Amino acid sequence: GAGVSQTPSNKVTEKGKYVELRCDPISGHTALYWYRQSLGQGPEFLIYFQGTGAADDSGLPNDRFFAVRPEGSVSTLKIQRTERGDSAVYLCASSPTSFPQYFGPGTRLTVL
Amino acid sequence: GIQVEQSPPDLILQEGANSTLRCNFSDSVNNLQWFHQNPWGQLINLFYIPSGTKQNGRLSATTVATERYSLLYISSSQTTDSGVYFCAVPRGSRLTFGEGTQLTVNP
Repeated sequence: GAGVSQTPSNKVTEKGKYVELRCDPISGHTALYWYRQSLGQGPEFLIYFQGTGAADDSGLPNDRFFAVRPEGSVSTLKIQRTERGDSAVYLCASSPTSFPQYFGPGTRLTVL
Repeated sequence: GIQVEQSPPDLILQEGANSTLRCNFSDSVNNLQWFHQNPWGQLINLFYIPSGTKQNGRLSATTVATERYSLLYISSSQTTDSGVYFCAVPRGSRLTFGEGTQLTVNP
């Protein structure tokens, strides 16, 4: 079956702009996760949804970051007033429960 | 929070060689995942292995939860095995990743 999909695959933006990153989880998976991966490091947790609600958003670095999952399927990660330090690969994962987690191909965000 | 350490950080092999990658974690866990991140950045699930041993072709993994480590074995390595190997353990519902082992397999 289809895996986790993410769009766009690459996003280049200018400092101060707003961006939205989309994640389409595996059909039927109720748990959805966002992680961020900087060069040379392992992914770091941002936020976890169980159904439509954010069950754990403690990994969001500040209030410029926000994520939604209004119908319990597709999720959008939103970043306001982007900064150069936000440049990274943003990974989405889904799971039928909590584990194991299955990852999408990621969105590479570059803030100029 | 839980600490995850992977070794070695870098490994270079000739095609056909065998290798063992290690993952140590600082607290008891009830599951563990191994991933391969290919050169295009895709994280591919290798094993979900809370304890015991699992095998999948040339790859196998063993987790000894009571001693807080897991091992990933790669036999008869191929150039397509190149990439970064991560282990990850749960803290609540999130995964905590190690820093990875960068594997390069030369022809």
